[in-house]
Amino acid sequence: EVQLVQSGAEVKKPGESLKISCKGSGYTFTSYYIGWVRQMPGKGLEWMGIIYPSDSDTRYSPSFRGQVTISADKSTSTAFLQWNSLKASDTAMYYCARGHMVRGVCRWFGPWGQGTQVTVSS
Amino acid sequence: DIQMTQSPSSVSASVGDRVTITCRANQGISNWLAWYQQKPGKAPNLLIYAASSLQSGVPSRFSGGGSGTDFTLTISSLQPEDFATYYCQEANSSFTFGPGTKVDIK
Repeated sequence: EVQLVQSGAEVKKPGESLKISCKGSGYTFTSYYIGWVRQMPGKGLEWMGIIYPSDSDTRYSPSFRGQVTISADKSTSTAFLQWNSLKASDTAMYYCARGHMVRGVCRWFGPWGQGTQVTVSS
Repeated sequence: DIQMTQSPSSVSASVGDRVTITCRANQGISNWLAWYQQKPGKAPNLLIYAASSLQSGVPSRFSGGGSGTDFTLTISSLQPEDFATYYCQEANSSFTFGPGTKVDIK
C-alpha cells in the first residue's frame, strides 16, 4: 500500500526555524514527485512546490519561492519542507502528496499524507 | 498565471440529489484538470484526473467532464459520505487549485 506519513504537529515562535517531513513507503520513492500544499485555517488549498527525489529537481510556486525550501533524502525515502524564519502567517496545515506523472510531467496528486499542523505564536 | 474559479461556492443538497459543480480556467488547459474531495479534518483525496478519468477506488457516481476552460464534476446520486468540500486543480502549467465548493446537507 502506498503511504505518505508526515511528522507530528509543531508549535513554534516567530523567527524560529522548522523542518517537517514526509516519509513515503509502498512504492519506489525516487520514481515519483512529491508535492507540498498549504491549507491555512478555514481556507483552501495552495500549491507550494514539488520535488523529484531521484535528482532533487525542485519547482516552487511563485508565492512560496524564497519563503521555504523543499528537499528530499533518497536513502530514507523522505521529503522535507523547511523554514528558516517562521512568521505567524505560516500557521497552517501542510500536506505532502505523491505526484502522478504523465509522460514524465507531474500533473496531479495522490495519495496524500495526513498533514502536519504548524502553529507559530509568540 | 492560470486562475481557477468554481461555482457555486457552496450548495445545499439532499441524499439522492444530483449535484454538479463547475470549474473554470481563465485560459485553455486542454484536459489537464483534477478534482479532489476533502472532508473536515482530513487530507484531500483525488477523485478525477485528466478531466474525466475516475481514480481507482472512487465510486462511479462521481464523473467529470469538460475541456479547454470549462469543467464539471457531477455526483449522480448524493450519498451521506459525499458531504465535503470539492476542489479542482489545473495541471497544465502549475498546480493552481480552485477556491473550493462546499456540499452540505439541506
